[in-house]
Amino acid sequence: QSALTQPASVSGSPGQSITISCTGTSSDIGSYNFVSWYQQHPGKAPKFMIYEVSKRPSGVSNRFSGSKSGNTASLTISGLQTDDEADYYCCSYAGGSRHWLFGGGTKLTVL
Amino acid sequence: EVQLLESGGGLVQPGGSLRLSCAASGFTFRNYDMSWVRQAPGKGLEWVSAISVGGVRTYYADSVKGRFTISRDNSKNMLYLQMDSLRVEDTALYYCVKEEVNGEMATIGFDYWGQGTLGTVSS
Repeated sequence: QSALTQPASVSGSPGQSITISCTGTSSDIGSYNFVSWYQQHPGKAPKFMIYEVSKRPSGVSNRFSGSKSGNTASLTISGLQTDDEADYYCCSYAGGSRHWLFGGGTKLTVL
Repeated sequence: EVQLLESGGGLVQPGGSLRLSCAASGFTFRNYDMSWVRQAPGKGLEWVSAISVGGVRTYYADSVKGRFTISRDNSKNMLYLQMDSLRVEDTALYYCVKEEVNGEMATIGFDYWGQGTLGTVSS
């Protein structure tokens, strides 16, 4: 199964909002609400940011929000801060043998 | 505080084997499914394998099925990944990951990650 499709990079200025898309198929994102998002700073382990499409784990800023429409999930970051500069990965349950698919990752640059 | 500490990575020739270990602490290990996720140098994340709480059910990505074996020892709070018939493309940082569940006991994501152990396959 192929990875989910994300843009390679996005950028924004401090205070602005950006959205990262994550496109799958009717067999993964389109069929399940088990979409999660992860933030990874260089040299660090990924951090759990969003689960079940739009829910935030305890301690994650409400500047991070998620949504889904059809086969595409999205992560929106509002009020961009310099520390938001990182790689972001989406992930979806893909059914079958309980496979999980990740997106290729999106590098966010805060200008 | 949840801690996941991987070990066992190293350099191995193609066709060789490595056994990764993960020591878990800070949570009731036996109550959670666990996974391994890898990241090739400069590349994205790839889910590799998962194991149920009791170790009875195991799952593998197609790319490693038949070559990797996941296991756990709940008495020792340890997770393992036996990697055989290794290929150059298996070179990656391997993360030990705790799965989070919702009220219906369905996995909703990966909430804690170790720092990873690097497995390098090269001649």
